[in-house]
Amino acid sequence: AQSVTQLGSHVSVSEGALVLLRCNYSSSVPPYLFWYVQYPNQGLQLLLKYTSAATLVKGINGFEAEFKKSETSFHLTKPSAHMSDAAEYFCAVRDGGFQKLVFGTGTRLLVSP
Amino acid sequence: DTAVSQTPKYLVTQMGNDKSIKCEQNLGHDTMYWYKQDSKKFLKIMFSYNNKELIINETVPNRFSPKSPDKAHLNLHINSLELGDSAVYFCASSQLGGGVSDTQYFGPGTRLTVL
Repeated sequence: AQSVTQLGSHVSVSEGALVLLRCNYSSSVPPYLFWYVQYPNQGLQLLLKYTSAATLVKGINGFEAEFKKSETSFHLTKPSAHMSDAAEYFCAVRDGGFQKLVFGTGTRLLVSP
Repeated sequence: DTAVSQTPKYLVTQMGNDKSIKCEQNLGHDTMYWYKQDSKKFLKIMFSYNNKELIINETVPNRFSPKSPDKAHLNLHINSLELGDSAVYFCASSQLGGGVSDTQYFGPGTRLTVL
């Protein structure tokens, strides 16, 4: 079965600083990987997804992620954090033929002025 | 124009009661899901229906019964509610067979509190 591990339940950055949220995957087949964001009291919104077309994936709101097979990683980055980026971020991997998503435990991003 | 909607948004009830949560999607998708998010924010899939047929059934107590009257609707009925059922329940939809990477679109969630 596929799985993902998110390192760090909380990440704090200052406004304008680099954002780095870590995700490592475990998969016996080429994985399909996703990053979702959850703002307080809201549902999940897709930030970006990796589908083997390109290793550097650009998403919404200035986020991007790089797939590194050698490191089994799919870390999420943003060059300059904004206060509005404060949210919970989930890495997920598609498991099986029915598009079941297996989520990581989430990372809360805190942005201070 | 809400793509995936759920009702109710909040549900507070007593232990032992039976309750239902409804989900509707207007995206024309053929597959719908129920996920449970616990108090630690951990998200786990419960069920999935494709064209009204159950295709994913994770290890969930049989007090939980999903029902899909048509492709656009997936309801979740819970019998004999327990304290541990308190969680946020998310509905999602996608187009199966539209590509292995198809995105799942999530509803806003239903926060269930069992007292």
